[in-house]
Amino acid sequence: QVQMVQSGAAVKRPGASVKVSCKASGYTFTDYYLHWVRQAPGQGLEWMGWINPNSGGTNFAQKFQGRVTLTRDTSISTAYMELTRLTSDDTAVYYCARVISGGGDGWGQGTLVTVSS
Amino acid sequence: DIQMTQSPSSLSAYVGDRVTITCQASQDIDNSLNWYQQKPGKAPKLLIYDASNLETGVPSRFSGSGSGTDFSFTISSLQPEDIATYYCQHYDDLLTFTFGPGTKVDVK
Repeated sequence: QVQMVQSGAAVKRPGASVKVSCKASGYTFTDYYLHWVRQAPGQGLEWMGWINPNSGGTNFAQKFQGRVTLTRDTSISTAYMELTRLTSDDTAVYYCARVISGGGDGWGQGTLVTVSS
Repeated sequence: DIQMTQSPSSLSAYVGDRVTITCQASQDIDNSLNWYQQKPGKAPKLLIYDASNLETGVPSRFSGSGSGTDFSFTISSLQPEDIATYYCQHYDDLLTFTFGPGTKVDVK
């Protein structure tokens, strides 16, 4: 079955960067777009962007343009999300999700990123 | 940019009640609308895709309808395990997502 396993929680200082990984299994990694969504404590879901694992093409929410990088390593079926210039507002759980027909049908368990001085 | 609104923001109902949540788009989005369930501390789970299609394995008490700008999500008979927050989500031709603010469902 489809499984997305993310890297563990991270604590970062303001101004630092964080890189979260998402390892996919149970399907052909390059066949489906992979999206990143975050959720601040007690808040709703916020879409960040996607990567096409086949081509490496990306698309981002305007809010994150210039601050987020999405990459992938097809040899190990793993996608990465790097967010730079962190502030306390970036404290959130970050999710990766496989998307089919516009909906995320397989989600990672989430990675808590805490930004604190 | 398309905005998604949901109502109510929260509701409390009895086990066995019929529960309906609405989602409104700021412009016509055809049927490009999905519904998710999120339980505390868990990732969202896709329940309904393309406005009215039940995801495989999802109980039939969940349903969705609508097209254009107005959509609804219904739980025909609320169960204790349905306590969660429910989100609508629009996707466009570039697969840009927009989530609604969520509706928290509780059991009385």
